[in-house]
Amino acid sequence: EVQLVESGGRLVQPGGSLRLSCAASGFTFSDYWMHWVRQAPGKGLVWVSRIFSDGGSDAGSTIYADSVKGRVTISRDNARNILFLQLNSLRAEDTAVYYCVRSRNLNFDHWGQGTLVTVSS
Amino acid sequence: QSALTQPASVSGSPGQSITISCTGTSSDVGRYNYVSWYQQEPGKAPKLMIFDVSERPSGVSNRFSGSKSGNTASLTISGLQAEDEADYYCASYTTSSTWVFGGGTKLTVL
Repeated sequence: EVQLVESGGRLVQPGGSLRLSCAASGFTFSDYWMHWVRQAPGKGLVWVSRIFSDGGSDAGSTIYADSVKGRVTISRDNARNILFLQLNSLRAEDTAVYYCVRSRNLNFDHWGQGTLVTVSS
Repeated sequence: QSALTQPASVSGSPGQSITISCTGTSSDVGRYNYVSWYQQEPGKAPKLMIFDVSERPSGVSNRFSGSKSGNTASLTISGLQAEDEADYYCASYTTSSTWVFGGGTKLTVL
């Protein structure tokens, strides 16, 4: 069974940083592209970032939504089956549940339960 | 990248059929057949219901179907049941190699 378990969400002050983690199991993690999708309280889903399966250092291996570009870094450790999201210069509008998502053929086929990030002073 | 356009809410009685539209542009919905639909119940993670415009994952009821015409995709739920009450989101791959979601539609079963 595919499982994606996020962690790391907490209350953080504006301007602060946070690293989210997603532990994957039940599938060959290194075979799949992975994403982060977020959802602000009472709002819709917003795609945040994607990383290729090998997580290489090529320029195209990661891509970000314009709203987070320059403040967010996605990475992965295929040896430990973990996906990461580094969030910097956090703003109130970054407050959201962050979902770790697997994609297959450009569709999001498995989602974690999410981790809540709250940015507030 | 602007969100895809969905109606904020739709409703129907048990047994009826409803359709939720999802309108994008020639850079996303109109360009690719990588349109998908997700069901989200309150407090839960989204669940894939339709992928590649009209394909159903195993385990999803055949009461759910998808289609596309031009820049607009649609999700139809036939034989509406109380358990279908949830929020529904469409999503599409884009020409910028990113993804965009719709704003979401709240389905109420009367």
